[in-house]
Amino acid sequence: QSVLTQPPSVSAAPGQKVTISCSGSSSNIGNNYVSWYQQLPGTAPKLLIYDNNKRPSGIPDRFSGSKSGTSATLGITGLQTGDEADYYCGTWDSSLSAGGVFGGGTKLTVL
Amino acid sequence: QLQLQESGPGLVKPSETLSLTCTVSGGSISSSSYYWGWIRQPPGKGLEWIGSIYYSGSTYYNPSLKSRVTISVDTSKNQFSLKLSSVTAADTAVYYCARRSDGYNRYNWFDPWGQGTLVTVSS
Repeated sequence: QSVLTQPPSVSAAPGQKVTISCSGSSSNIGNNYVSWYQQLPGTAPKLLIYDNNKRPSGIPDRFSGSKSGTSATLGITGLQTGDEADYYCGTWDSSLSAGGVFGGGTKLTVL
Repeated sequence: QLQLQESGPGLVKPSETLSLTCTVSGGSISSSSYYWGWIRQPPGKGLEWIGSIYYSGSTYYNPSLKSRVTISVDTSKNQFSLKLSSVTAADTAVYYCARRSDGYNRYNWFDPWGQGTLVTVSS
């Protein structure tokens, strides 16, 4: 059971837009910054979004991040078949059991 | 371009200690204010943060693993290491090392990641 809650799967057609949600609490998302990772099959995770909504160099602006209260959202526009992957959100949890936490992951299928 | 590479045994017996090393190239492990972390992923499952270390030796550990985990750093070799004791089959996973964001823990992001190494716990 992950501290952060993500839908197990989402799907959309090529060219469309999709959003992936990440729900937490005041001890994690509510008071800390969210990052998002893309994991293509058989590869290591890759940072897509950091500090809620910033993109590292080389990440296209089709990927966006936002945060509101204790939830965060990853948006992907202009879907491509190459976007099919698992997506994870992550943050820090400042509770008594403090530490890094990740969501359970969302499998994106581009139909 | 910063690169990280995990190394260590791919098979560990139950009750023994898992030991992995992450070698950093393309940059110095002690030249900036970044932390360095370990994350694992059991087969077919999600990511789990294990812990992070600063070049000075300051560490943060996952509370659920804290009693069994030790992360250390060797700045002379530009490496940091993971030891996980008393392993069971539940510790079978791909283990990744990664550079963690600098500054406060609340910014806790990881980039780049090593390619990962599968460690199987079995007799």
